[in-house]
Amino acid sequence: DAGVTQSPTHLIKTRGQQVTLRCSPISGHKSVSWYQQVLGQGPQFIFQYYEKEERGRGNFPDRFSARQFPNYSSELNVNALLLGDSALYLCASSLAVGGGAFFGQGTRLTVV
Amino acid sequence: QKEVEQNSGPLSVPEGAIASLNCTYSDRGSQSFFWYRQYSGKSPELIMSIYSNGDKEDGRFTAQLNKASQYVSLLIRDSQPSDSATYLCAVNFGNEKLTFGTGTRLTIIP
Repeated sequence: DAGVTQSPTHLIKTRGQQVTLRCSPISGHKSVSWYQQVLGQGPQFIFQYYEKEERGRGNFPDRFSARQFPNYSSELNVNALLLGDSALYLCASSLAVGGGAFFGQGTRLTVV
Repeated sequence: QKEVEQNSGPLSVPEGAIASLNCTYSDRGSQSFFWYRQYSGKSPELIMSIYSNGDKEDGRFTAQLNKASQYVSLLIRDSQPSDSATYLCAVNFGNEKLTFGTGTRLTIIP
């Protein structure tokens, strides 16, 4: 069975640009979460979606937005990129809210 | 604020020995606890989950939970060089997200 898949794997953007990251969950998983991980830190929660509805939002500015589609895949959008947005962006899927989450390989975003 | 604390290490353990990783959390009402392994440059991999007090064993891994002391640990028996990684403790504080510690870097010395 395919795990969580994310695209692209690497991305370089310029300050002020916008970026869209994509995620397909494990088949049968209806919950998708997004996390940001900077070097030396644990992942920080950005969003969770369950059954296409936003169930939670972390302490991130409004430049960050996300959505979940009817097939449970998800997109994370970041507008007006800042140098500090450079990080590994992780998508995780789980069967239910609050359960163990399985991570994709991540998208390494570099803002220059 | 709900927090998860881990010793960042590095923790060095001889090959074949037991590696002991510890984690404390701030909310006694927490229900779900997870250990993730993360190799350098890779994403976290779920290796253990534990929901009730006591021990849970899976192969060479044992998770131990003490809710009264707000403490969860991971033991790795017969440590192998391939166990060298950063180990992340994660707690679900009864809401929609996982809260992670900063991770403990483990090095197994051949």
